[in-house]
Amino acid sequence: GQNIDQPTEMTATEGAIVQINCTYQTSGFNGLFWYQQHAGEAPTFLSYNVLDGLEEKGRFSSFLSRSKGYSYLLLKELQMKDSASYLCAVSPNQAGTALIFGKGTTLSVSS
Amino acid sequence: DVKVTQSSRYLVKRTGEKVFLECVQDMDHENMFWYRQDPGLGLRLIYFSYDVKMKEKGDIPEGYSVSREKKERFSLILESASTNQTSMYLCASSPAPTGTYGYTFGSGTRLTVV
Repeated sequence: GQNIDQPTEMTATEGAIVQINCTYQTSGFNGLFWYQQHAGEAPTFLSYNVLDGLEEKGRFSSFLSRSKGYSYLLLKELQMKDSASYLCAVSPNQAGTALIFGKGTTLSVSS
Repeated sequence: DVKVTQSSRYLVKRTGEKVFLECVQDMDHENMFWYRQDPGLGLRLIYFSYDVKMKEKGDIPEGYSVSREKKERFSLILESASTNQTSMYLCASSPAPTGTYGYTFGSGTRLTVV
């Protein structure tokens, strides 16, 4: 079967660093996406990893280990506006089959 | 910027009504998708389409149908709305293959069936 796991909720304080983990088991693999979704809004693209290693984009970084079926999203210098749900999604193959989404991690940032 | 537009942000319908949710994208994307999102269940795929007049069932197609008569428009139809179809409905599009940006989502339609 296809399965993506991520923690349901996390909390952190402003200025801190938080790591959101994602593990996946899928029939194939053609890349992993992270999306951010604020309450009541549409998900927006954050990052894409298809090769092992770390991709850095400002305060956000995403890591992938294909052999372990594992990814994480690292958020640095947390701000209140980072309070949102973070969705991990896997593209199972190159043919454009629909992305498989995890259930999302709700991050709450407090002052 | 790619835009995916969903016709309604909020809808309230009665049980048994036929409901149409419309989605239009303006970037000539081949792929279009309909998801519903519920607390604790995440995004669940209802239907998707790779081309005009083509459709594929997702994980939860029961009670829904779709129509794609033009490349830019993908409609979700609830044949006879029921209260368990109260949900947030998200439309998305992507090029084929999906590419490095994945999907672009519409702003969502929050449907309440009473």
